[in-house]
Amino acid sequence: EVQLLESGGGLVQPGGSLRLSCAASGFNFRTYAMYWVRQAPGKGLEWVSSISSSGGNAYYADSVRGRFTISRDNSKNTLYLEMNSLRADDTAVYYCAKDAHSSGWFRDAFDIWGQGTMVTVSS
Amino acid sequence: EVVMTQSPATLSVSPGERATLSCRASQSINDNLAWYQQKPGQTPRLLIYGASTRATGIPARFSGSGSGTEFTLTISSLQSEDFAVYYCQQYGIWPPWTFGQGTKVEIK
Repeated sequence: EVQLLESGGGLVQPGGSLRLSCAASGFNFRTYAMYWVRQAPGKGLEWVSSISSSGGNAYYADSVRGRFTISRDNSKNTLYLEMNSLRADDTAVYYCAKDAHSSGWFRDAFDIWGQGTMVTVSS
Repeated sequence: EVVMTQSPATLSVSPGERATLSCRASQSINDNLAWYQQKPGQTPRLLIYGASTRATGIPARFSGSGSGTEFTLTISSLQSEDFAVYYCQQYGIWPPWTFGQGTKVEIK
């Protein structure tokens, strides 16, 4: 079964840091581009970051650029999101998702999503 | 940035009726458009990609159409499990990948 499992969320103070992980199973992780998408409480979906299959290309939303870093370890089938200088408006459920196309590039819709991990930024 | 605009914000429909949801892109994205369903407390689920292709396991009552800037998701006969929020998303011009604000389909 194709599965994504996020972890690492929690309560953090403004200005703090957190590292999210997304463990992939059931598919050839190293051949797919991956994404992070977040959803603030009661709000819609917001794309956060993307990374190609090799890890050589990454993109960020303006709201997180310079503070968040996406990375992956294909030997561990794991995607990461390092979050620094966290702000209250970063509070959200963070989902990882995979590209539907196995080209390794950003080709298609997001076909599999994890269950999400909640990040709360508050003092 | 491609802005995705969904309408209406809320759609009240009786079970068994047809629901039609709209999504407009601020510039042409060809057919690089997906629809997702999200139920309360659940993760988004891919319904449609390529504007009109149903994802694996999606019932035939869900259909998508459109190209360029105007897109439609139709649910031919609403079932109780279809009441949810639906998002469109473009993946043709990036970054950023952008979502619509969502349409909530509620029981009339």
